[in-house]
Amino acid sequence: ETGVTQSPTHLIKTRGQQVTLRCSSQSGHNTVSWYQQALGQGPQFIFQYYREEENGRGNFPPRFSGLQFPNYSSELNVNALELDDSALYLCASTFRTSGRNEQFFGPGTRLTVL
Amino acid sequence: SQKIEQNSEALNIQEGKTATLTCNYTNYSPAYLQWYRQDPGRGPVFLLLIRENEKEKRKERLKVTFDTTLKQSLFHITASQPADSATYLCALDMSPSSNTGKLIFGQGTTLQVKP
Repeated sequence: ETGVTQSPTHLIKTRGQQVTLRCSSQSGHNTVSWYQQALGQGPQFIFQYYREEENGRGNFPPRFSGLQFPNYSSELNVNALELDDSALYLCASTFRTSGRNEQFFGPGTRLTVL
Repeated sequence: SQKIEQNSEALNIQEGKTATLTCNYTNYSPAYLQWYRQDPGRGPVFLLLIRENEKEKRKERLKVTFDTTLKQSLFHITASQPADSATYLCALDMSPSSNTGKLIFGQGTTLQVKP
């Protein structure tokens, strides 16, 4: 186990709705990244938070937003859901500047948009 | 922009054989490259990291090579077992020279080891 948890495990929403996904990082990990993984594809970087500030974003529109909290938890919010948003959403945490580069991934949230 | 291609979508081998998975990238040579294992319905799990100045890295039955001239990494599993069946992902940092932790992933290779 990586010590990273995500909730909920599964979620079904309809087009146009909003969703909040949650992640709890390993204690002490000051960096969290969110990824979207479509079926049969590798994870795609959405954005990263470092010490509660956004620290880089991938090719995702502003309706994808996030927050990171002092207690090592974070959120991914998606507004105006589209069918193509159906995917596995992964969060990954690490302790930046530790010299170790591996990411610790959570089990993911499977989002289905109908 | 950087692109990663993992040459096989699926690889089927017999138990006991060596599995070899390929990862090619197109643009800058990264400071390091990582390999992850992902089981169905689970998040990726870190396996190995190899730096640009390392030609080869080993961990138990796993071996990774890194050829910056060919822009390629090879991932080997020796004496493969059915429990090695999973999807293997290679990943590199979005920055060519620093550790940002923002990863670009290949599409993955699904390995099936038959008893």
